Amino acid sequence: NAGVTQTPKFQVLKTGQSMTLQCAQDMNHEYMSWYRQDPGMGLRLIHYSVGAGITDQGEVPNGYNVSRSTTEDFPLRLLSAAPSQTSVYFCASRPGGTGELFFGEGSRLTVL
Amino acid sequence: DAKTTQPPSMDCAEGRAANLPCNHSTISGNEYVYWYRQIHSQGPQYIIHGLKNNETNEMASLIITEDRKSSTLILPHATLRDTAVYYCIVRVTGSARQLTFGSGTQLTVLP
Repeated sequence: NAGVTQTPKFQVLKTGQSMTLQCAQDMNHEYMSWYRQDPGMGLRLIHYSVGAGITDQGEVPNGYNVSRSTTEDFPLRLLSAAPSQTSVYFCASRPGGTGELFFGEGSRLTVL
Repeated sequence: DAKTTQPPSMDCAEGRAANLPCNHSTISGNEYVYWYRQIHSQGPQYIIHGLKNNETNEMASLIITEDRKSSTLILPHATLRDTAVYYCIVRVTGSARQLTFGSGTQLTVLP
């Protein structure tokens, strides 16, 4: 199994540009989520989804959009990139109940 | 979800047991305690979780106090590869809410 796959691994954007971070999982997990991690900090929840067609906001949702059209995919869209969005982004998935979270390897985004 | 408190950093000698404490004094009866770790800048890795009984797996042991207000993660024979940030998290079972990560404990295993 590939687990949770994130693309791209590295990206540099200019302020105001838009882009989509891709996340795919092949474990048929119900729940998927996006976190960001700034240097020296813990992870902060951006958005999450409890199933196809259902999404909700986390702690820091502003400036990001998500959609969940399939169980496998959960893309994160930056609408108009800002330097404050420079961070490492992690996608994660888990089955229902008390299931553990499986994380991707991260996408490192720099906004100039 | 209940808030957790962990020491910001700890050292441990290689080969010795690493005991990482976590305080969750406001935990409620249906909240599980989860432990994850993050090595360098990799994605966090699940270690173990429990409700009220002590738990053990191939990676670690989790000791939860009888009143459930605190817990300890034990790595029985720490190696250099166990150097990581360890996160203690509590979450209601079955909750749709995703895990909330705090700052964790930076464990450094010394040779």
